[in-house]
Amino acid sequence: GAGVSQSPSNKVTEKGKDVELRCDPISGHTALYWYRQSLGQGLEFLIYFQGNSAPDKSGLPSDRFSAERTGGSVSTLTIQRTQQEDSAVYLCASSSGQTDTQYFGPGTRLTVL
Amino acid sequence: KQEVTQIPAALSVPEGENLVLNCSFTDSAIYNLQWFRQDPGKGLTSLLLIQSSQREQTSGRLNASLDKSSGRSTLYIAASQPGDSATYLCAVYDWGDNTDKLIFGTGTRLQVFP
Repeated sequence: GAGVSQSPSNKVTEKGKDVELRCDPISGHTALYWYRQSLGQGLEFLIYFQGNSAPDKSGLPSDRFSAERTGGSVSTLTIQRTQQEDSAVYLCASSSGQTDTQYFGPGTRLTVL
Repeated sequence: KQEVTQIPAALSVPEGENLVLNCSFTDSAIYNLQWFRQDPGKGLTSLLLIQSSQREQTSGRLNASLDKSSGRSTLYIAASQPGDSATYLCAVYDWGDNTDKLIFGTGTRLQVFP
């Protein structure tokens, strides 16, 4: 596709359930990033992929959060046993290399009831 | 730890005014700096990327400058229009052997009224 796509666009779940968020980067982009935007916290980094490996996972807030990337393309962010404080917009970005322009997807709005 | 601050937090101006949005960062050893806009309920749109060796970048009515020594970047918007209404974010690249991420500022919410 022409840009970064994310699915679903909105997700409402109950506390304690697991959720999976998907990101399709721009074709050919080797670097992929996940960020989270929540009220009062601004935009914060979660994880960075170069190819299929994740050299920087330092932003993942707890061990309930995990992410993988397969085939150097699609990435999935999984949140286990969701909590209300996980409610936020999760944004994915991709770029053609380190320090190159990052292009963002529209985000997934997660609401945990 | 790098911290990025934007001033003002919100701005409301009449159409036609020239605007300056400010971004400051605590660690001057940055690589690149990027300005984004975000419309309500939408993702981020890249506006300008300034590489560390550059002092400014221009795109249409937008001009961004970078002064690493003072830890500042400014985004200048000429002849503002209602369509410029959005939140503007600056972000500093934190880059190394095992990391590559953006550290975002707090944002400036801009409203341009007719």
